[in-house]
Amino acid sequence: RKEVEQDPGPFNVPEGATVAFNCTYSNSASQSFFWYRQDCRKEPKLLMSVYSSGNEDGRFTAQLNRASQYISLLIRDSKLSDSATYLCVVGANFGNEKLTFGTGTRLTIIP
Amino acid sequence: NAGVTQTPKFQVLKTGQSMTLQCAQDMNHNSMYWYRQDPGMGLRLIYYSASEGTTDKGEVPNGYNVSRLNKREFSLRLESAAPSQTSVYFCASSGGGASGMADTQYFGPGTRLTVL
Repeated sequence: RKEVEQDPGPFNVPEGATVAFNCTYSNSASQSFFWYRQDCRKEPKLLMSVYSSGNEDGRFTAQLNRASQYISLLIRDSKLSDSATYLCVVGANFGNEKLTFGTGTRLTIIP
Repeated sequence: NAGVTQTPKFQVLKTGQSMTLQCAQDMNHNSMYWYRQDPGMGLRLIYYSASEGTTDKGEVPNGYNVSRLNKREFSLRLESAAPSQTSVYFCASSGGGASGMADTQYFGPGTRLTVL
């Protein structure tokens, strides 16, 4: 089983729609969780951290379910500029700074 | 504020040639990382450096060496390039994390390497 698993997509979604991605992780001792965004032929950039209580940043909402070991990302009112690959990222055990990256979910917003 | 810079942006090598990928950060971060990204594989950690003077192997270290030259710079060397090392290489840095938790990593623009 991969340490971090994501549906690779592609997700083709009309502009203005709501889209949700899930991600599962295998290490129950993981402490840090993130969503990164990667545009085509560019470097990954932090979209948002994911906190235990869930958190929202504008049109983006991230949730963490430790019991089921999954992380979700919800994008509301999707824009053309949201087209990208979304990487689920999990921090290693407490005291270890290494991150494990999922292979990414590709999203295309259709006009 | 440049963040993380990498040179070169593109490189083509012949099998057996050597080269060094350079990375520098101006954010005063303690930790630096080298990843490779291949289609369908996601980002895989090659080496990392938790602080100046220390380096540790990641998931795929074979065929690579690294040097943490100072706090700002972390270089990756391919001693004898092989076609299997054709990839996109990203350098990243992070502040070091509070209370031991993983911190946000900031990435450079990447080096696209082709080994013929």
